[in-house]
Amino acid sequence: EVVLTQSPEFQSVTPKEKVTITCRASQSIGSNLHWYQQKPNQSPRLLIKHASQSLSGDPSKFSGSGSGTDFTLTINNVEAEDAATYYCHQSSSLPQTFGQGTTVEIK
Amino acid sequence: EVQLVQSGAEVKKPGESLKISCKGSGYSFTSYWIGWVRQMPGKDLEWMGIIYPGDSDTRYSPSVQGQVTISADKYATTAYLQWSSLRASDTAMYYCARLPYFGPGNHHNAFDHWGQGTLVTVSS
Repeated sequence: EVVLTQSPEFQSVTPKEKVTITCRASQSIGSNLHWYQQKPNQSPRLLIKHASQSLSGDPSKFSGSGSGTDFTLTINNVEAEDAATYYCHQSSSLPQTFGQGTTVEIK
Repeated sequence: EVQLVQSGAEVKKPGESLKISCKGSGYSFTSYWIGWVRQMPGKDLEWMGIIYPGDSDTRYSPSVQGQVTISADKYATTAYLQWSSLRASDTAMYYCARLPYFGPGNHHNAFDHWGQGTLVTVSS
């Protein structure tokens, strides 16, 4: 089973700052790595698929990079509405797995 | 509009059986896998398994294999998650989500739409 380790687990930032979240896989997963945003009491929402393909309305807001074992999600110009938990997810091999999540707090 | 609509919240006792559902609409149901993801209270997301409704090809996580059954009815465009004997540790929010299908064994995609979740509470 591929273990995904996210860091940091918690980050507190002020508006307009940039947030960088990393996801490290225990073995190579190519680009089969996806990022989701989950706000409190809501279902997860897909932000980035296949490491770098943005699905958000503003690609400059959420961006992803990486391949193999090391991946990054970047959130630019953080706003209050970006407060959420962010998860990475690998679909390279079964069972698919999720990272443990990174909670972003806006001060 | 793509929708995955899940059945309502359930409160059950240990040992009882349960079947929850996820109805897809607004897209070709047999062009996607349907997956189930568990989220225990205050915890992270856990992948349980996926099913391809076209032929009911099902893959389970080892952590739930034998504990739950995933099924689907392609004519009703509905997927199901069921338990024959619930435990208190099954208390969680359960999400269904769809994943594009590109052939047998090809599950290398993201969950692009999610249901609203079904809260299952198991308590004596």
